[in-house]
Amino acid sequence: DGGITQSPKYLFRKEGQNVTLSCEQNLNHDAMYWYRQDPGQGLRLIYYSQIVNDFQKGDIAEGYSVSREKKESFPLTVTSAQKNPTAFYLCASRRLAGENEQYFGPGTRLTVT
Amino acid sequence: AQSVAQPEDQVNVAEGNPLTVKCTYSVSGNPYLFWYVQYPNRGLQFLLKYITGDNLVKGSYGFEAEFNKSQTSFHLKKPSALVSDSALYFCAVRMMDSNYQLIWGAGTKLIIKP
Repeated sequence: DGGITQSPKYLFRKEGQNVTLSCEQNLNHDAMYWYRQDPGQGLRLIYYSQIVNDFQKGDIAEGYSVSREKKESFPLTVTSAQKNPTAFYLCASRRLAGENEQYFGPGTRLTVT
Repeated sequence: AQSVAQPEDQVNVAEGNPLTVKCTYSVSGNPYLFWYVQYPNRGLQFLLKYITGDNLVKGSYGFEAEFNKSQTSFHLKKPSALVSDSALYFCAVRMMDSNYQLIWGAGTKLIIKP
């Protein structure tokens, strides 16, 4: 999975709790992305960051928060405000120069009950 | 509006036969197109991309894709399918803005039967 690690692979939480998903890359990529994947749907962008200490909302940012304090790390917090948090979460990164493809981590499956 | 369509939710092919997974797009300007594959409970793996040049692009695992500007399509193909090709395939197109975001198709499940 291209030098991107996500942990844990499976995560279980009770409703009302915040939870943070880890994403680390050792590819020296500038840009990092968080996607949500639900069955039968394409990937939906939650947040992305092109530089340290800066990030932008994607299409479905409500109920999520991120930080980018280091180039190699882009953690995602799923807050209690997210109405349907159970999903498969994918982190990706890419070099900004040129039309480079995104590299994906192995994903974290979050289940909230 | 910019969009990507994968018109087939599922494609079934017998092992050894050629396979095609369809993708059509609608974007402003010249598109940059990508194909990714996802195995169960895994992240996505890059297969190939079209940026410019030859309309036939060759990628990983024997896959290729043909860019057709007049039909706004970028279909994924392989001459002889393997059972191990069974997976979920995603087409994506880069948005023509400065943020380099991708628009994703909904995915096509490819099933190769022995």
